[in-house]
Amino acid sequence: DTAVSQTPKYLVTQMGNDKSIKCEQNLGHDTMYWYKQDSKKFLKIMFSYNNKELIINETVPNRFSPKSPDKAHLNLHINSLELGDSAVYFCASSQGPQGSGNTIYFGEGSWLTVV
Amino acid sequence: AQSVTQPDIHITVSEGASLELRCNYSYGATPYLFWYVQSPGQGLQLLLKYFSGDTLVQGIKGFEAEFKRSQSSFNLRKPSVHWSDAAEYFCAVGGNQGGKLIFGQGTELSVKP
Repeated sequence: DTAVSQTPKYLVTQMGNDKSIKCEQNLGHDTMYWYKQDSKKFLKIMFSYNNKELIINETVPNRFSPKSPDKAHLNLHINSLELGDSAVYFCASSQGPQGSGNTIYFGEGSWLTVV
Repeated sequence: AQSVTQPDIHITVSEGASLELRCNYSYGATPYLFWYVQSPGQGLQLLLKYFSGDTLVQGIKGFEAEFKRSQSSFNLRKPSVHWSDAAEYFCAVGGNQGGKLIFGQGTELSVKP
């Protein structure tokens, strides 16, 4: 069974559309994340939730809205998609918040292409 | 400021040759250090991590890394590279004060026959 699973894996959409990426972890972890990997493969954290509470919110446009219905799920909704949103989005989880020595486990990524 | 530098963007080695990927970090407190590998079209897989104790850490797939505090380095090594090791490798640093995990820019490894 996949520990951190996210869907869809590939998504091609037009500018201005709204799309969501779903993520689920079956590791029993308390903390979940969204990371963005740009075309130069640079990885940057976007959001982090611990027990459904938002604990990290980087400088991300308001068009990006995470939602955690329970601690096993963290979805990412993106409004009014722009060309610059094209990237790979990784969901991840850890036992506790990063920075406490917890190992982060990543999903396989969602390749978003905005045309 | 906290940062991670992987000086080599791309490295090519012959199959069977030894490998060393460099990672230098800047961190104000005791660092936790990680190496992840990303195969093409895949997510990141943890290779190994250092929290404390023995500075030579063994990981999966025959990789090891050595933490050198005096040099602020955490280089990844493998004695004999296999073609399946071709991938992108990321070094990351975090700490014990609630700080965020910071990734290096990655090193792409190519393996030639």
